[in-house]
Amino acid sequence: EAGVTQSPTHLIKTRGQQATLRCSPISGHTSVYWYQQALGLGLQFLLWYDEGEERNRGNFPPRFSGRQFPNYSSELNVNALELEDSALYLCASSPAGTSGLITGELFFGEGSRLTVL
Amino acid sequence: DAKTTQPTSMDCAEGRAANLPCNHSTISGNEYVYWYRQIHSQGPQYIIHGLKNNETNEMASLIITEDRKSSTLILPHATLRDTAVYYCIVRPTGNQFYFGTGTSLTVIP
Repeated sequence: EAGVTQSPTHLIKTRGQQATLRCSPISGHTSVYWYQQALGLGLQFLLWYDEGEERNRGNFPPRFSGRQFPNYSSELNVNALELEDSALYLCASSPAGTSGLITGELFFGEGSRLTVL
Repeated sequence: DAKTTQPTSMDCAEGRAANLPCNHSTISGNEYVYWYRQIHSQGPQYIIHGLKNNETNEMASLIITEDRKSSTLILPHATLRDTAVYYCIVRPTGNQFYFGTGTSLTVIP
């Protein structure tokens, strides 16, 4: 069974540009979570999608946005890139949303490293 | 979201048990304790979770105090591959996970 896959692995952009990161959850998982991890820091919660809806977002400006598609894959968009957006962006999936949670375990991908120059 | 407090770093000799503490004094009755680890620049990996009772799996044991205000993750025989950042997370059912800064465990040969 394939795990959570993220693309691209690495992305280099310049200030002011837009970045799009993609995530495919494990088959059967309906929830997708996005986290930002700046160098040397912990994971900061960005967004949570379940069944195509945004369920919650962390303390990030509106230029961080995303969506979840009918096949439960997800996209994270970062507009007007700033230098401090340089980070590892991690996607995770879980089997269910707010109800019917079994273990609540998150399965993480290997991340997309965004560098803003 | 409930907060957790972990030591910034710890060392452990290879082959010995690694005991990683976590304080979660504001934990509520329906909140689970989860442990994840992150090996350098990889995605975090689930280790174990529990609510009230102690738990054990092939990776580790989780000891939760009776008042649930703290817990300890135990790696029974630490190996060099266990060197990682370990995150203790308190999570209510149905809500997202908030990771702190974790404990950086270094296993020493």
